[in-house]
Amino acid sequence: GAGVSQSPRYKVAKRGRDVALRCDSISGHVTLYWYRQTLGQGSEVLTYSQSDAQRDKSGRPSGRFSAERPERSVSTLKIQRTEQGDSAVYLCASSYKSGGGYTFGSGTRLTVV
Amino acid sequence: GENVEQHPSTLSVQEGDSAVIKCTYSDSASNYFPWYKQELGKRPQLIIDIRSNVGEKKDQRIAVTLNKTAKHFSLHITETQPEDSAVYFCAASNPPNNDMRFGAGTRLTVKP
Repeated sequence: GAGVSQSPRYKVAKRGRDVALRCDSISGHVTLYWYRQTLGQGSEVLTYSQSDAQRDKSGRPSGRFSAERPERSVSTLKIQRTEQGDSAVYLCASSYKSGGGYTFGSGTRLTVV
Repeated sequence: GENVEQHPSTLSVQEGDSAVIKCTYSDSASNYFPWYKQELGKRPQLIIDIRSNVGEKKDQRIAVTLNKTAKHFSLHITETQPEDSAVYFCAASNPPNNDMRFGAGTRLTVKP
């Protein structure tokens, strides 16, 4: 496709459960970020990866958040032992390594109950 | 690592007035500064960007200025319209990894 897509669009998870969110980025894009958006804290970096690294580096908060790239243009954000504070919109964004603007996905709204 | 601060967090202006949003960054190696506009319920979209070899860039009603010495850059919107209402994010990116950090966002409201 021409853009970055994320799935699912909405996700409800029971507190303590693990969730996985998917991002399909643009072919040729190398750098991929996962961000979390909340009303009070704006955009917070969770993980990012470069080149062919299959496991992303953790940003903050670390520990419960990790991402994998089974294919270069696909990333899966995994959140372990979800907490109510994890309720937010999760955005992925990708870019060519040579620099320039990022293209964002439409986000996944996660609600932890 | 890079740290980007953005002010103000909320901004309300009357239609037709100008709006200015300011950002500062910490890493002097940062060389690319994009601005994103995020309308309610939509994904952030790139609206304008500037590289460190340029001091100012303009695109119709939107302009961005960069002061490398002071490590700050600003977004200027003139003749604001209600459709300019959105959250605006600044970002700074530096080589070689194109690592990008975002400001916390500014919620702009343009009152008709």
